[in-house]
Amino acid sequence: QLQLRESGPGLVRPSETLSLTCSVSGGSIDYSSFHWGWVRQSPGKGLEWIATIYYLGGILYNPSLKSRVSMSIDTSNNYFSLQLRSVTAADAAVYYCATHQVGMITSGGLVATYFDNWGQGTLVPVSS
Amino acid sequence: SSELTQDPTVSVALGQTVKITCQGDSLRICFPSWYRQKPGQAPFLLIYGENNRPSGIPDRFSASRSENTGSLTITGALAEDEADYYCNCRDNDGNVIFGGGTKLTVL
Repeated sequence: QLQLRESGPGLVRPSETLSLTCSVSGGSIDYSSFHWGWVRQSPGKGLEWIATIYYLGGILYNPSLKSRVSMSIDTSNNYFSLQLRSVTAADAAVYYCATHQVGMITSGGLVATYFDNWGQGTLVPVSS
Repeated sequence: SSELTQDPTVSVALGQTVKITCQGDSLRICFPSWYRQKPGQAPFLLIYGENNRPSGIPDRFSASRSENTGSLTITGALAEDEADYYCNCRDNDGNVIFGGGTKLTVL
């Protein structure tokens, strides 16, 4: 069973860079069936997709965050990372990493995308 | 539009059937997936694609889609079903979209 665990700084100051890692156990991050994503949830709010890194190396970022976000993968150490620059109070959230299935086509010819293995999440406050 | 709209709150009597809906233009090309989230917990996947359930999800959860509306149906609601429910899909550019979430209350 694949397990994901986020780790982060605990607190980030405004204008600084938030760096998070997601450690993967129970399977190889290099396995071709998986893509890897980040989702966040501000306190009392809904879910917001941040970015996904694909097995073949391409990365897709949420357009609203694209100018500030970077994502990378370390196959040697089985983890992937997220960096969010110039944070503000609006970036305070629980950040989740998850496996992301992106290529499903239904019998009716529609696409489907879903996150099927989630980490427990890490709360990142933003405060000076 | 790349938004998915959900009713903020829905209630259901114990043992009854409830439908939670998700609306948006992206649903014309995408079959929505559904998640449940309880307070303090990570979301978990309930249904993906065309009514597929991960292992361990009972068949009282089902999904459907028509035009620009997707639905999650819970048949025989239990007290444990009280939670927040989210739909998600993708737009034409591959960007992932989540609905705003529906808080389900079981009466």
